[in-house]
Amino acid sequence: EAQVTQNPRYLITVTGKKLTVTCSQNMNHEYMSWYRQDPGLGLRQIYYSMNVEVTDKGDVPEGYKVSRKEKRNFPLILESPSPNQTSLYFCASSFTDQPQHFGDGTRLSIL
Amino acid sequence: GESVGLHLPTLSVQEGDNSIINCAYSNSASDYFIWYKQESGKGPQFIIDIRSNMDKRQGQRVTVLLNKTVKHLSLQIAATQPGDSAVYFCAENPKDSSYKLIFGSGTRLLVRP
Repeated sequence: EAQVTQNPRYLITVTGKKLTVTCSQNMNHEYMSWYRQDPGLGLRQIYYSMNVEVTDKGDVPEGYKVSRKEKRNFPLILESPSPNQTSLYFCASSFTDQPQHFGDGTRLSIL
Repeated sequence: GESVGLHLPTLSVQEGDNSIINCAYSNSASDYFIWYKQESGKGPQFIIDIRSNMDKRQGQRVTVLLNKTVKHLSLQIAATQPGDSAVYFCAENPKDSSYKLIFGSGTRLLVRP
């Protein structure tokens, strides 16, 4: 089954404790992206990747890092999480110039 | 700046009626538009897309209309069913932005039995 898989689905943690949210897709898509979704603000892009070893900032990259060492994986790293990063996060992937497929989301709570 | 917005935050319709969800976009250079459906606890799910060289595109029970003159996009759902209850987002892809999607804030569709 074609899918985008995120882990964990839920995480409660504390300020400053490094965390990684993994994202994996099995569709051989070149493009992958991370979004955060906050009430009233819709989905905002954090980082995206056009292909392996090619990443770039989206609209709200501050406080996040990403890497793309393999085509199928695109982890999101919060080196020193803060409460304002409490949000619902989505990973997405696609072939170039095609609709993006989304994972089911990761709800992060930073205390 | 670039923005995608929706006229109605909540739309309530009777089961069996047609639904129309509207969206305004501000970037006249956008050439690709997508409608997504998001159910509770799930990620956005692709419904239908349209490119700027088209005015209308139909899918199964859904139709997307694009009016480039007034920068307006709409999603029509025929014979709305309870399973259509969800939040609907429009998204635009500006032409020179490397597959970037700019999302609106969403419209909640409630289907009354």
